[in-house]
Amino acid sequence: RKEVEQDPGPFNVPEGATVAFNCTYSNSASQSFFWYRQDCRKEPKLLMSVYSSGNEDGRFTAQLNRASQYISLLIRDSKLSDSATYLCVGTSGSARQLTFGSGTQLTVLP
Amino acid sequence: IAGITQAPTSQILAAGRRMTLRCTQDMRHNAMYWYRQDLGLGLRLIHYSNTAGTTGKGEVPDGYSVSRANTDDFPLTLASAVPSQTSVYFCASSTLPGTEAFFGQGTRLTVV
Repeated sequence: RKEVEQDPGPFNVPEGATVAFNCTYSNSASQSFFWYRQDCRKEPKLLMSVYSSGNEDGRFTAQLNRASQYISLLIRDSKLSDSATYLCVGTSGSARQLTFGSGTQLTVLP
Repeated sequence: IAGITQAPTSQILAAGRRMTLRCTQDMRHNAMYWYRQDLGLGLRLIHYSNTAGTTGKGEVPDGYSVSRANTDDFPLTLASAVPSQTSVYFCASSTLPGTEAFFGQGTRLTVV
């Protein structure tokens, strides 16, 4: 079982829709979590960190549920430019390496 | 240089040849990483370095070696390339282990 698991999608949503992604992690000792965005054939870029109290950045909201070991990302009022692959990331191991999920593909349709 | 730079951006390599992928960062980050990305498998950690002078093995280290002689550089070497090493390779760095990482633009390597 992968340490970080995501629904690969694809998610196809109309512009303006609200879409949510979930991610589960197996290592209960994981301390830090992030969401990254990756455009086709480009490098991953940090979207936001995920805090236990939840955090919001404009149209994006991230939540962490340690009891159930899952992380979520909510995107409100989807834009065409939100089309990308979203990667869930947690830390693992004594050296706190970043472990990536396989990604969830989102396409926002006009 | 601003951020993290990889070279080359792409390469076609004959099987059995030796190849070094270069990675340089100017952010004075302590931790650096090498990942490979393959369709359907996501990003997998090859090797990492939490500080200059130290390295560690990731999820898929076989066939690869790294060194970290200084803070800025973290080269990845394929001693004898095989076709299964065809992939996109990303170098990344972070201020400290476990903190948000920043990625280079990637190296597309094809081993034939």
